[in-house]
Amino acid sequence: AQKITQTQPGMFVQEKEAVTLDCTYDTSDPSYGLFWYKQPSSGEMIFLIYQGSYDQQNATEGRYSLNFQKARKSANLVISASQLGDSAMYFCAMREVNYGGSQGNLIFGKGTKLSVKP
Amino acid sequence: DSGVTQTPKHLITATGQRVTLRCSPRSGDLSVYWYQQSLDQGLQFLIQYYNGEERAKGNILERFSAQQFPDLHSELNLSSLELGDSALYFCASSAGQGFEKLFFGSGTQLSVL
Repeated sequence: AQKITQTQPGMFVQEKEAVTLDCTYDTSDPSYGLFWYKQPSSGEMIFLIYQGSYDQQNATEGRYSLNFQKARKSANLVISASQLGDSAMYFCAMREVNYGGSQGNLIFGKGTKLSVKP
Repeated sequence: DSGVTQTPKHLITATGQRVTLRCSPRSGDLSVYWYQQSLDQGLQFLIQYYNGEERAKGNILERFSAQQFPDLHSELNLSSLELGDSALYFCASSAGQGFEKLFFGSGTQLSVL
């Protein structure tokens, strides 16, 4: 079963508007971390935001915020005031505890391609 | 700049050949991770090392191997290459094994012809 599901292969948003990218996850571990990464056409993976499973507040980093709904196992990324430079692939990822208590590797979703229209 | 250095950036080779991809983690980072990104499989975790020891293994083929050296740099060796091995290979590093973020290198684009 997929651990990370991103149901939107592609999204369009008008410049200066807000956009929400969906992510749901599946885990039975009580302790885990959720991440969003951005991959522009140049190929590099850029960290955007992190949410821990025990964090009470939703994470925010500048124009990025994570809408964390633990009971629904969703971790949607909200980008406010979209800019042309936000056009990229966006990946949701999760780290679980494994291997004798050490945290495991990042498991990625398939990604959402965001296109910002001028 | 993430601080993670991967070389080479591009690699073109033929089927049946062997190649080595190199990764230098961020200064002070003890964990190194290798990922493969292809159009059909997405981002797949291959293997993780922590301070020289293998810590976790993902979907890594037997033809592939990796190691982390005492200076913490890592190499990913791909042998008996097939057309399907063509992909973008990322190295990432993190300070430890906690929930801290991973810093990714810019990747090595491997083309097997």
